Parts: sequence; C-alpha cells; structure tokens
Amino acid sequence: GAGVSQTPSNKVTEKGKYVELRCDPISGHTALYWYRQSLGQGPEFLIYFQGTGAADDSGLPNDRFFAVRPEGSVSTLKIQRTERGDSAVYLCASSLSRDYNEQFFGPGTRLTVL
Amino acid sequence: SQELEQSPQSLIVQEGKNLTINCTSSKTLYGLYWYKQKYGEGLIFLMMLQKGGEEKSHEKITAKLDEKKQQSSLHITASQPSHAGIYLCGADDYSGGSNYKLTFGKGTLLTVNP
Repeated sequence: GAGVSQTPSNKVTEKGKYVELRCDPISGHTALYWYRQSLGQGPEFLIYFQGTGAADDSGLPNDRFFAVRPEGSVSTLKIQRTERGDSAVYLCASSLSRDYNEQFFGPGTRLTVL
Repeated sequence: SQELEQSPQSLIVQEGKNLTINCTSSKTLYGLYWYKQKYGEGLIFLMMLQKGGEEKSHEKITAKLDEKKQQSSLHITASQPSHAGIYLCGADDYSGGSNYKLTFGKGTLLTVNP
C-alpha cells in the first residue's frame, strides 16, 4: 500500500494482559516513530527508530512498554501487564529519513484496557 | 521541553466563512508542522514552515510563521464541510538536538455547518 498501515485498528483487552500493536511503514522510509494520543490531547512521542535500532526511546512511559523493528521495516509495539491508563490511540509514523522530517502517519490503533 | 498552545480549542463556523487557528510556542520554533485529523483516522500532513515570516498556501488553507518564530496561524478561506476535523500544530524539538521528535498542541476542533 501507499501509506502507513497499522493493525489492529481496534484492540480491547483486559487489565494485566499483553498486547502487540503492529506498524507497516511506507516502503523505503528508514525512520519510524510511535506516538500515543489520549482523548483530547495531541500525540505524544514514545520512540523513534532509525533503521533497526531504537535511536530514542525516551518517551516510553515505563518498562512495560517495548518496541522492536528487527528488519528495519515493520515495527511492533509491545505492552506488558496492561493498565487502564494505557487506553489511548497509538499512532505510528514514518519519514524518508531523520533529516527529512515530514512524518506520514498511520490511522492508529485504538487500545481499550478494561 | 517545548509546549505548544493552540487557540481556540474548538470552533464552529458557517460554511463559506473564513477562520483562523493559532499556535503559540514557549520556545523558538525551528520547524512548525500543521496536520489535520479526522476521527478514527491518522494525521494528514498539511504544511511545514521553517523560516521567520514564511507563508505557505494549499488550496484554501494558508499557514504563516511569524518573524520571531514563536507563533503560527492557519487560515481557511471560504470554509467547507470537508474542512471539518481536528487541526494540530507540531514542532521539532530541535533545541534539544532531536529534530525528529515532534511535540504537538492539543488541537483545535473545527466544525463547519452547511
């Protein structure tokens, strides 16, 4: 596809469960970003990948959150022991490179923790 | 860290009317991005501004960055229902050496009544 895709579009889980959110960036984009958007707020930065490595994970709220990008393309955001406060829309974006900062966003995954 | 204040928080206009949304930064803006978001969708890139006094237009939307690079405005001329959505301004956190990390305002919800 031409744009950034994210799956699933919606995820409902119970408190304490483990979830994985997937992001498929635009082909050829080396930079990939995860953001979290709570209701009524703008997106907040979580983590940035340049290629396969996490160049900046300073936005991850705690060690329950982890993200990987093993082949430099698809990325997975993993949340362990989910809490109700994790409920939000998780957005993925990609850009051609770090120096070309027009970020293209996916539609997001709406996570609801019951 | 940089903070962005958007005003107004919400706006209801009649179709055909002009409107302006403002974005004010607590620090000098090095890169200012305007995005539009519809419910359940990702952010759609509108425009990027970098130079003091810069102005860009696309169709009926004009964005400006003031000379001091601390305030940006987004102006829509002759609004249409298709303009409805949430408008977000985002900025590079370049002063921190990380121009890839975008900080966003809380957004302005625009409703256009036919």
